[in-house]
Amino acid sequence: EIVLTQSPATLSLSPGERATLSCRASQSVSSYLAWYQQKPGQAPRLLIYDASNRATGIPARFRGSGSGTDFTLTISSLEPEDFAVYYCQQRSDWPPVTFGGGTKVEIK
Amino acid sequence: QVQLVESGGGVVQPGRSLRLSCAASGFAFSDYGMHWVRQAPGKGLEWVAFISYDETNEFYADSVKGRFTVSRDNSKNTLFLHMNSLRPDDMSVYYCAKDHGYYYDSSGFQESWGQGTLVTVSS
Repeated sequence: EIVLTQSPATLSLSPGERATLSCRASQSVSSYLAWYQQKPGQAPRLLIYDASNRATGIPARFRGSGSGTDFTLTISSLEPEDFAVYYCQQRSDWPPVTFGGGTKVEIK
Repeated sequence: QVQLVESGGGVVQPGRSLRLSCAASGFAFSDYGMHWVRQAPGKGLEWVAFISYDETNEFYADSVKGRFTVSRDNSKNTLFLHMNSLRPDDMSVYYCAKDHGYYYDSSGFQESWGQGTLVTVSS
């Protein structure tokens, strides 16, 4: 089973700052990686699929990059609604699909 | 607009069974694979199961294999999760989710999610 490790666990930033979230896979997942956003009490929302493709309706400030084992989600300028927990997920040779442990982006 | 509404959660004793349902609307349900994903209180996301659009393929996480069964009724636009031999570590919010792929080309990613239903396993 492919293990995804997200870092940092918590990111403390101010609105308007850039957020850089990391996801590392225990073996290559090619570009079969997604990012999700989850706010308290809500279901997750798909942001990015196949490493760099924004899902429908996702603002351009969200950018995914990487391939193989190292991936990054960048939020270019944090809006108040972006403070949330972010998960990466891989689907290489699924099943199973696996999720990372999450990165919480909190207001500094 | 895609809408997924889970139901059937509640409090159940260890070893007992429960069936979750997910009513789908706003899309051609019979054309998409569907997933169940769960989240224990205060924890991360765990994929549980998948069923293909035409029920020919079912996949399960090792943690539930042999105890849980996913099924669907395309005539009623409804997804099910039959959970047997429930354990305390099955306690979670269970989400149903629409696969990001289409028809036979399932992606494994979850494009749309319901709001979840809470399953509590306690004596």
